[in-house]
Amino acid sequence: AQSVTQPDIHITVSEGASLELRCNYSYGATPYLFWYVQSPGQGLQLLLKYFSGDTLVQGIKGFEAEFKRSQSSFNLRKPSVHWSDAAEYFCAVGAYDTGRRALTFGSGTRLQVQP
Amino acid sequence: EAGVTQSPTHLIKTRGQQVTLRCSPISGHTSVYWYQQALGLGLQFLLWYDEGEERNRGNFPPRFSGRQFPNYSSELNVNALELEDSALYLCASSPFGDRGNQPQHFGDGTRLSIL
Repeated sequence: AQSVTQPDIHITVSEGASLELRCNYSYGATPYLFWYVQSPGQGLQLLLKYFSGDTLVQGIKGFEAEFKRSQSSFNLRKPSVHWSDAAEYFCAVGAYDTGRRALTFGSGTRLQVQP
Repeated sequence: EAGVTQSPTHLIKTRGQQVTLRCSPISGHTSVYWYQQALGLGLQFLLWYDEGEERNRGNFPPRFSGRQFPNYSSELNVNALELEDSALYLCASSPFGDRGNQPQHFGDGTRLSIL
C-alpha cells in the first residue's frame, strides 16, 4: 500500500524568503504525485502534478516540485513566499492501478508567513 | 468553467440521524470521489464513482454509501450518524482516462457537525 510522509507539521517563514516543503512517498511502482493547497474553510486546490518525464515540474502561483526517485521524495519549493501563501499544503500519491483511483494524502504542512 | 460544487456548505445533525451530501462535478468529468477530512485523521478516501457505478471504496463502514446519477452528479449518504463523523466532506472529480493519470479537482466541501 502506498503512503505519504510530510515530516514538517508547521513551518514559519518570512515574507520574501524561500520555501521548501518536504514530501516522501512509498509506492511500489512509478507514482503519480501531486501537491494541493488548502486555505481555511476551503477545499483543495491543485498546485502541480508529476506523472512522468521531466523531474522538475512547474505549477501555479510560482511553485515548483522536484521528483527524486532515489530519495522517494517530491519536495515543493518557492523562491519567494508571499503572505497569501499562508495555508496548509498536502502532498498526495495516486494509486492508479486498475480499479483503484484513490489519492493517499500526507498529513499536511501548515505554512505561516511572517511580515 | 465552473468548478466542483458541493451542497450544503454546513450541516448540523444529531447522533443517529441520516444525512445526504451532494456534489456536481466539473462539466465533462465522469469520475467523482468522496473524501473525509476529520480533525486529527487527515484526508481519507471514501468512495469513487464512475459512469454511475461504485468503482472503489475506502475503509469505511457500510453506513457510508452513495450514488452517481446519469448527469454524473453524486450523493453521499451517511446513516446512523456518530460523533466521529464530524468532518469536512470533500468531493472531487476527474475525467476517467485510460491510465488514470488525471488529477482530481476538489470542491470546497460540506462541513458536517454531529451534536
